[in-house]
Amino acid sequence: GQQVMQIPQYQHVQEGEDFTTYCNSSTTLSNIQWYKQRPGGHPVFLIQLVKSGEVKKQKRLTFQFGEAKKNSSLHITATQTTDVGTYFCAGRVWTGKLIFGQGTTLQVKP
Amino acid sequence: EAGVAQSPRYKIIEKRQSVAFWCNPISGHATLYWYQQILGQGPKLLIQFQNNGVVDDSQLPKDRFSAERLKGVDSTLKIQPAKLEDSAVYLCASSLEGVRARDTQYFGPGTRLTVL
Repeated sequence: GQQVMQIPQYQHVQEGEDFTTYCNSSTTLSNIQWYKQRPGGHPVFLIQLVKSGEVKKQKRLTFQFGEAKKNSSLHITATQTTDVGTYFCAGRVWTGKLIFGQGTTLQVKP
Repeated sequence: EAGVAQSPRYKIIEKRQSVAFWCNPISGHATLYWYQQILGQGPKLLIQFQNNGVVDDSQLPKDRFSAERLKGVDSTLKIQPAKLEDSAVYLCASSLEGVRARDTQYFGPGTRLTVL
């Protein structure tokens, strides 16, 4: 079936270091969304990428959508303790369904 | 703007018991989703409603799970009887239209279910 894989599963960084999580789909996606879930919280929408090769920035966060629309990445520059949480990608397949990756849990050491 | 409301926030039951969760989506949102999130995993779609009709329930274990959205607004998700592996957070989400490719989903706080 359709799958969205995300790596790494966990990442521990020192505050100020950079962080990247990667998302890969088994099928071509219509678009991809990224969510952040704080510990004990619910997923909160961050951004949506639609076009092949699209790059979007939100302050220290950079999101990329691959040329083949099958992979994506989220890069955080100079992490802060407020960045702690689990980051999920969610790919939208041709049926309209969103398929979530397993998430990458980020821990930031002050 | 009020967000997606869910209740209860926590529920502990014994296996083979029944449980029901309630969701009130954002006002005006036509599409409502129920997700199951097992610890350490991403949310998995159980069922999607467009107004009061079911759009996708392919991953809903229909022998024990049921959901309804009778008036196209609130929704309930029921598990009867519960199994140990149903322990998870049940998330409700809503979106303005849902069938459009660019729709954003807004999640509620979730109900954490523990089955003993």
